[in-house]
Amino acid sequence: QSVLTQPPSASGTPGQRVTISCSGSRSNIGSNTVTWYRQFPGTAPQLLIYINDQRPSGVPDRFSGSKSGTSASLAISGLQSEDEADYYCAAWDDNLSGLLFGGGTRLTV
Amino acid sequence: EVQLMESGGGLEQPGGSLRLSCAASGFTFRNSAMSWVRQAPGKGLEWVSVITDNTFTTFYADSVKGRFTISRDNSKSTLYLQMNSLRAEDTAVYYCVKEVYFGSGYFDSWGQGALVTVSS
Repeated sequence: QSVLTQPPSASGTPGQRVTISCSGSRSNIGSNTVTWYRQFPGTAPQLLIYINDQRPSGVPDRFSGSKSGTSASLAISGLQSEDEADYYCAAWDDNLSGLLFGGGTRLTV
Repeated sequence: EVQLMESGGGLEQPGGSLRLSCAASGFTFRNSAMSWVRQAPGKGLEWVSVITDNTFTTFYADSVKGRFTISRDNSKSTLYLQMNSLRAEDTAVYYCVKEVYFGSGYFDSWGQGALVTVSS
């Protein structure tokens, strides 16, 4: 049921900037807010970005989110080895009346 | 500090039933929409169901509709997921999550997860 499309993998070297995309449609990203989560192996996901571009307290400003039309992006600047994790986008879908997660992107540093 | 503690997971045969519980503390439970999110082994996140705070309106993923029932007891600050007609593909870690705004996917707190294994 995953109709939010993310690249399965992304990579970068320390200090670089990397962007992860999340592509949807009018009924989900086009109509609702996007949330981003980070997940380390064996642990529960952590909130990274909410309402498209807002950072919770404790999340460094190296992480930023944006949304345009039916797509969203997560940017990580000043890449660090500890950023290696799986990243997921999420958005409500008005047609399905349900929440969608992207398939996830594994980031390698 | 917000705490969400799942219980009730385990091994069940295909066609069987299990009920997950999630004991919540550290926030006003009755004022929060609550969801279940699951993750099959080695796979991504999948939203399962949500229940609103006071109206108890519910929504389900197509994959569980008609088999799973989400409910809550605000007097006990507890969320439930009744899972019937279990299938092998329901095998996953099930997370209880607190939603800041209903329908937003904005989950600010997650439980540690409960493992459900469906196998004969």
